[in-house]
Amino acid sequence: SQQGEEDPQALSIQEGENATMNCSYKTSINNLQWYRQNSGRGLVHLILIRSNEREKHSGRLRVTLDTSKKSSSLLITASRAADTASYFCAGFTGGGNKLTFGTGTQLKVEL
Amino acid sequence: GAVVSQHPSRVICKSGTSVKIECRSLDFQATTMFWYRQFPKQSLMLMATSNEGSKATYEQGVEKDKFLINHASLTLSTLTVTSAHPEDSSFYICSASFKQGLASGNTIYFGEGSWLTVV
Repeated sequence: SQQGEEDPQALSIQEGENATMNCSYKTSINNLQWYRQNSGRGLVHLILIRSNEREKHSGRLRVTLDTSKKSSSLLITASRAADTASYFCAGFTGGGNKLTFGTGTQLKVEL
Repeated sequence: GAVVSQHPSRVICKSGTSVKIECRSLDFQATTMFWYRQFPKQSLMLMATSNEGSKATYEQGVEKDKFLINHASLTLSTLTVTSAHPEDSSFYICSASFKQGLASGNTIYFGEGSWLTVV
């Protein structure tokens, strides 16, 4: 079963615009992570935000975490066509032994 | 370079046959490996957790007799889809973690995935 739900399911923007994806999860998780997946490929780890952190930056990525609302957001600034991919949030569940994924957001950045 | 290698990347098999997918950790000893299944435009669904030297732990709804998982060494886990049917066609992805790399906050590494098509 999916641990998290992401919205929007699909997002289409123009190059240069910012893209915001949200993830809400059902049960408590540790160390929420965001991954990127190009079509038909494996996953690339983007960023990890610990449960005691509220915001984290990495290059053009900004992640926030609100444990009270059980939600996280991923912001990609100044998007590029190469950012076109699916983005998933994920967290450890099952006592910290299993990494389960959200439903994902398909981002399309158009020239 | 890749730290988790998955093979084959694509495989086509006939209905009723079995197919094996390998997942290798290249630069580290992976005490735990995970197998996921992904249908087109959907998320990854965890199938099972594989610990070296012990039986895999399967998620609810995953048939352990159909999806045989073996983790015989610290660098290799295999998933065998037995008596494959067209509905087993999917993208299968493995991931591997360091012994200390689970909930401590370390990332886990994913293979590039294997496309299985059953005809």
